[in-house]
Amino acid sequence: ILNVEQSPQSLHVQEGDSTNFTCSFPSSNFYALHWYRWETAKSPEALFVMTLNGDEKKKGRISATLNTKEGYSYLYIKGSQPEDSATYLCAPMNQAGTALIFGKGTTLSVSS
Amino acid sequence: DAGVTQSPTHLIKTRGQQVTLRCSPISGHKSVSWYQQVLGQGPQFIFQYYEKEERGRGNFPDRFSARQFPNYSSELNVNALLLGDSALYLCASSRHTGELFFGEGSRLTVL
Repeated sequence: ILNVEQSPQSLHVQEGDSTNFTCSFPSSNFYALHWYRWETAKSPEALFVMTLNGDEKKKGRISATLNTKEGYSYLYIKGSQPEDSATYLCAPMNQAGTALIFGKGTTLSVSS
Repeated sequence: DAGVTQSPTHLIKTRGQQVTLRCSPISGHKSVSWYQQVLGQGPQFIFQYYEKEERGRGNFPDRFSARQFPNYSSELNVNALLLGDSALYLCASSRHTGELFFGEGSRLTVL
């Protein structure tokens, strides 16, 4: 059973601040690492899917890195905006490729 | 194209009853997965179906069952409901093992 840890649990920043979150997971039996953004009253939305050690992906002001050898991924948000307020979930996929194992998420609140 | 659609959006049941939740995947997606999310936790994997066959099952009791139809839509059934089954049930579709596209969920309350 994979144990996925995300930190911090919650975060409150001011508009314009940059922030980052951490996701740690057992490095054995790794298949892929997913990041999702989940806004209140909406459905989770995929941000990134990463598979290779050293992968770096970017979408606008959001970027992510992956270290499969030590079992962690960072998500960065540059210049946070109120619309970035959401819960950010990381989820490694099991080796069979059938299931995402979600962490509890990091809830970000951005004040204008 | 329409996204993943789930029905009903909200429902209330009493202990011991049975419930069926429905999911229509994005057109062209052959894989459907079900997740349960309780407050304060991340979504927990229940089932994955691909081409109408069960490909993965999470750590849930046999009261939980699912199936996928020829048009790739899916149903999740839960029998003998317990208070602890109260949760948001999310359905997600994908082409195979890539990113998942989630519906907005079915909120089940068991009284």
